[in-house]
Amino acid sequence: GAGVSQSPSNKVTEKGKDVELRCDPISGHTALYWYRQSLGQGLEFLIYFQGNSAPDKSGLPSDRFSAERTGGSVSTLTIQRTQQEDSAVYLCASSRGGGRSGNTIYFGEGSWLTVV
Amino acid sequence: LAKTTQPISMDSYEGQEVNITCSHNNIATNDYITWYQQFPSQGPRFIIQGYKTKVTNEVASLFIPADRKSSTLSLPRVSLSDTAVYYCLATYNNAGNMLTFGGGTRLMVKP
Repeated sequence: GAGVSQSPSNKVTEKGKDVELRCDPISGHTALYWYRQSLGQGLEFLIYFQGNSAPDKSGLPSDRFSAERTGGSVSTLTIQRTQQEDSAVYLCASSRGGGRSGNTIYFGEGSWLTVV
Repeated sequence: LAKTTQPISMDSYEGQEVNITCSHNNIATNDYITWYQQFPSQGPRFIIQGYKTKVTNEVASLFIPADRKSSTLSLPRVSLSDTAVYYCLATYNNAGNMLTFGGGTRLMVKP
């Protein structure tokens, strides 16, 4: 597609429920990132996928968070047993290669999660 | 892990040139410097990227001194629509994967 696509754009869920957030990266981009941004805060790295390599999960805040990337394209971020502190916008980004090589990283518009 | 430091906020007026400086003292040899713009309720948007000296595109210029320990984003003749948060990105983890965003600079352009 023309840009990084995320769904749903908004999600309100009850505390304790599981949620799934989806990301469609730009076609041909091998690197995919998930970030979290709380209201008025900076971006917090969550997880990084690059091609067929094992993902870098070092930013996941707890074992309630997991992500997968099927077929090297679409990614799903899953939050189990949601808590109110999980309320944030979850941003997905992709790039043609690893970020360190100067590859431009493009962000989606985010999935706004509210846990009530 | 290297860290970027930017002013928390800046004010300017329409038509002025705005310069936002970011320090990245521990930047690695092969790391690029990238700036993003973020409006409320939107994802960050790429503005400009450079490695050294000066880079210019249709929206901004990026100045990087020889030691690369800082960079300055220059926005010529800002307008009200340039009011946003600007993030400097220049840090990665040892595996070259993780991108660390600082708190950004909140630019307020006044009429």
